[in-house]
Amino acid sequence: AQSVTQPDIHITVSEGASLELRCNYSYGATPYLFWYVQSPGQGLQLLLKYFSGDTLVQGIKGFEAEFKRSQSSFNLRKPSVHWSDAAEYFCAVLTGGGNKLTFGTGTQLKVEL
Amino acid sequence: EADIYQTPRYLVIGTGKKITLECSQTMGHDKMYWYQQDPGMELHLIHYSYGVNSTEKGDLSSESTVSRIRTEHFPLTLESARPSHTSQYLCASSEDRGLNTEAFFGQGTRLTVV
Repeated sequence: AQSVTQPDIHITVSEGASLELRCNYSYGATPYLFWYVQSPGQGLQLLLKYFSGDTLVQGIKGFEAEFKRSQSSFNLRKPSVHWSDAAEYFCAVLTGGGNKLTFGTGTQLKVEL
Repeated sequence: EADIYQTPRYLVIGTGKKITLECSQTMGHDKMYWYQQDPGMELHLIHYSYGVNSTEKGDLSSESTVSRIRTEHFPLTLESARPSHTSQYLCASSEDRGLNTEAFFGQGTRLTVV
């Protein structure tokens, strides 16, 4: 079955430090992968997505992610975290013939000033 | 900015009441989804629709039902609310646009059944 794993439930970083959020997927075919961010009480906002081509994708708010097929990973990175980045981050894979988004359990990011 | 709306944003209701959570999108998307999310937990797909008059159960069993009579509208109904239904419900829509495919989410309805 297709699945997405986010190993880190909570991560705390200092403002200005670099960030990497891990995501591993299990999917038989070429995956369509997404990273979403959810601020408290809000819906989900798309940060970036990977369908094919360049394995390093750039997103909004200074985020990027790298697709590594050999490791079945799609980790999210940001070189310098801002306090406003504190939120919950979800990795997702498009499954069901392109009809369903399957989400990971999410990683809660806390930013210390 | 995404044009997908959910109402109400917050709802507190007594056990046994019938409720309908509204979801509307103005983007003309064929595919729509309902996700259930408990606090601090992952999103679970409970219903989805490929288009008008098409509805499917998602990965997580739910006592709710949905309908898709119009493209832009995908309401979710609980015939008899129970405390176990307390959760956040997120609606989303998408369309196949090749490399531009993505899902847009509403702001969610936080339901509390007392």
